[in-house]
Amino acid sequence: EVQLLESGGGLVQPGGSLRLSCEASGFTFSSYVMTWVRQAPGKGLEWVSQISGSGVNTYYADSVKGRFTISRDNSKNTLYLQMNSLRAEDTAIYYCAKRITILGALDYWGQGTLVTVSS
Amino acid sequence: QSALTQPRSVSGSPGQSVTISCTGTTSDIGGYNYVSWYQQHPGKAPKLMIYDVTKRPSGVPDRFSGSKSGSTASLTISGLQAEDEADYYCCSYAGSYTWIFGGGTKLTVL
Repeated sequence: EVQLLESGGGLVQPGGSLRLSCEASGFTFSSYVMTWVRQAPGKGLEWVSQISGSGVNTYYADSVKGRFTISRDNSKNTLYLQMNSLRAEDTAIYYCAKRITILGALDYWGQGTLVTVSS
Repeated sequence: QSALTQPRSVSGSPGQSVTISCTGTTSDIGGYNYVSWYQQHPGKAPKLMIYDVTKRPSGVPDRFSGSKSGSTASLTISGLQAEDEADYYCCSYAGSYTWIFGGGTKLTVL
């Protein structure tokens, strides 16, 4: 059974940093593209970032480019999102998700972790 | 890059059919066959319902179907059931390894 378990969310001040983790199980982690998607309170979904199976190729939404860094440790079956220079508008539930194919849909999602940026 | 356009809400009675539209541009929906639809119940993670425009993952009832015409994709739910009441989001590949979601549609089963 595929499982994705996020952690690392919390309350952080504007300008601060936070690192999210997503521990994967039930599939060959290194074979799949992984993605972060966020959802602001009461709002819709927003694609944030994606990383190839090897970790070599990374992609970002314009809204987070230069501030967020996606990475993975295939030996630990874990995906990360390092978030720096956080802003109030980054407040959201952050979901990690597994992509079916490189460009395809997200077939498994974690339960999400809440990040709140506030002073 | 603006979100794909979805109606804010749709409704239908049990047993009826409803269709949710998702309008984009030639740079996203119109340019690729990587449209997917997600169902989200309150407080839960999204669930994949349709991928690659028309395909259903195993376990998703065949009451759910997807289609696309030009730059507009659609999700049709036939034989509405109470448990279908949820928010629905469309998503499309938008080129250069970026993806765009719709604003979401709240489905109410009357």
